[in-house]
Amino acid sequence: QVQLVESGGGVVQPGRSLRVSCAASGFSFSDYGMHWVRQAPGKGLEWVSVIWHDGSQRYYGESVKGRATISRDNSKNTLSLEVNNLRLEDTAVYYCARENYNQGYAVVDLWGQGTLVTVSP
Amino acid sequence: DIQMTQSPTSLSASVGDTVTITCRASQSIANYLIWYQQKSGKAPTLLIYAASILQSGVPPRFSGRGFETNFTLTISNLQPEDFATYFCQQSFNPFLYTFGQGTKLEI
Repeated sequence: QVQLVESGGGVVQPGRSLRVSCAASGFSFSDYGMHWVRQAPGKGLEWVSVIWHDGSQRYYGESVKGRATISRDNSKNTLSLEVNNLRLEDTAVYYCARENYNQGYAVVDLWGQGTLVTVSP
Repeated sequence: DIQMTQSPTSLSASVGDTVTITCRASQSIANYLIWYQQKSGKAPTLLIYAASILQSGVPPRFSGRGFETNFTLTISNLQPEDFATYFCQQSFNPFLYTFGQGTKLEI
């Protein structure tokens, strides 16, 4: 079954760090770029980060730049995101998502169910 | 950064209606525009890419059009399962994707 399953969410205090992970199955993980997208409660989608299929390039959104690190282990079909110095505004459901190419256009065509990170004193 | 602005932010309609959602980019993105549908408590699903190409399995009552900075998503003959939130996203800048703020379609 083609799927992405996130884990690692929870309640964390401001200033601390948290690592969320994503387990991929049912497809050749190492062939795909992977993204993290988050959604604060009741809000819209915010793109967080992307990593190339081979891990050679990584990019971050402004809200986490300098505080986050995206990584992947293609031997274990896993994607991770670590965010340091957490802020209240980092509270969100964190989705991992797969980038695919349809007719030459990049699309995010597979999403996990999300993991909730709550930053609270 | 490329900013994406959707309108309206919410929309009321009835089964059988036709509705149109607009998405505007702060600069030209050619046709690198994607639409997603998100139902309450669920992850988004891909509807349309390249501004107008339906993802496999998406009903033809969904259609998209536009180029450069102005884009629309039209849903014809609304069905009960179409009541959801819709997001646009630009993929013109592959190093910094941005989403619109969403449009909630309600009965």
